[in-house]
Amino acid sequence: QVQLQESGPGLVKPSETLSLVCTVSGGSISYNYWSWVRQPPGKGLEWIGYVYSSGITKYSPSLESRLTISIDTSKNQFSLKLDSVTAADTAIYYCARAETTYYDDSRGHHAWPSWFDPWGQGTLVTVSS
Amino acid sequence: DIVMTQSPDSLAVSLGERATINCKSSQSLLYSSNSKNYLAWYQQKPGQPPKLLIYWASTRESGVPDRFSGSGSGTDFTLTISSLQAEDVAVYYCQQYYFSPFTFGPGTKVNIK
Repeated sequence: QVQLQESGPGLVKPSETLSLVCTVSGGSISYNYWSWVRQPPGKGLEWIGYVYSSGITKYSPSLESRLTISIDTSKNQFSLKLDSVTAADTAIYYCARAETTYYDDSRGHHAWPSWFDPWGQGTLVTVSS
Repeated sequence: DIVMTQSPDSLAVSLGERATINCKSSQSLLYSSNSKNYLAWYQQKPGQPPKLLIYWASTRESGVPDRFSGSGSGTDFTLTISSLQAEDVAVYYCQQYYFSPFTFGPGTKVNIK
């Protein structure tokens, strides 16, 4: 079955860029939506954004100005870059697949990212000097 | 953004008893064209990632024990654990996928009384 694994530095200095990679194994990264979700220590879950295998992205408005999510289908990986980090960005960062569902409207048949499954184990990123 | 709220914040239930968690969304999650509610439930145990329990508000994920059930429509949803087991101690989150940005409820912590 599909498995995800996050990798990247566990410590980032304030004002620098947080960079993480999620490696997908056990299945193809193509024709799927892939997401990042974070969780500050002891707190709840926050959706960060998603990328479709075609490269289409959607970001949380609260992070959009600092965020880039990209995908490399040849490596079965997708990535997150968050610029100008502060202590508020300290969190466990999870990658997850967003299940593709479909809906119809007056304009036709559309794909839509839905529930998150499976998830990676998560990686703690601390922002500190 | 769609705001998700959950109640209670925490609850303690005796082993074998029923646990009920409520989730409310600030706007309807029911898509009229397919009559589906765009809501999922997750279970998170300490040190682990969230685990999908329920999607489409009431469809149990494969392998999830049938003591877990989801119900509700529109803006009000419920996760029920019919007979609490020790391994169900966790935080439970609801999540809407009707509209981006996708949002989670704040979580409900379930303990054993």
